[in-house]
Amino acid sequence: GAGVSQSPRYKVAKRGQDVALRCDPISGHVSLFWYQQALGQGPEFLTYFQNEAQLDKSGLPSDRFFAERPEGSVSTLKIQRTQQEDSAVYLCASSKGLAASEQYFGPGTRLTVT
Amino acid sequence: AQSVTQLDSHVSVSEGTPVLLRCNYSSSYSPSLFWYVQHPNKGLQLLLKYTSAATLVKGINGFEAEFKKSETSFHLTKPSAHMSDAAEYFCVVSDPPGGYNKLIFGAGTRLAVHP
Repeated sequence: GAGVSQSPRYKVAKRGQDVALRCDPISGHVSLFWYQQALGQGPEFLTYFQNEAQLDKSGLPSDRFFAERPEGSVSTLKIQRTQQEDSAVYLCASSKGLAASEQYFGPGTRLTVT
Repeated sequence: AQSVTQLDSHVSVSEGTPVLLRCNYSSSYSPSLFWYVQHPNKGLQLLLKYTSAATLVKGINGFEAEFKKSETSFHLTKPSAHMSDAAEYFCVVSDPPGGYNKLIFGAGTRLAVHP
């Protein structure tokens, strides 16, 4: 019974580099969410996928952030031209259904931009 | 807009004493409310959820929370703290309730348990 996995667990990027963060949701889960958790804060919503469709990207902080889930399973969050303010833990969550389904969270990727 | 406010950023208790973590919510709908726990280097775990059934909700590990509409509160309690309860706790509201469940987190309360 594998849970949600994320890779890499830690990423150090120099300012201006592009990064790609991967999320493997629980098999068969329809919904996938990305959240950003800054140090000492609660997670904040970034984007939501229902299968391969990105239905809500209202939380993406800038056009440097891009997410995809092309086959409705694995998702990638890409950040272009990273900035120091992008330093955070990026959390992925998946849920089986739609309304009010429990979200299962991965361990997160800690991104540090130097 | 939905929001939650956690009234304490840090709470410290002795092992075996009661735990109270306070949360107030703001919602224009009948809210769906959750408590999540985050242990270091582990993923967020759901403790309990309220979705307009019983106002007293029981969760895992002996935690429970009571939904009080008149006070717009959803405080988390446990009768007797254990050392393993030391973690970060988040009060959460879903937006919109009954929709695809985008979660809005509070800032968190760090619970310390000392012997």
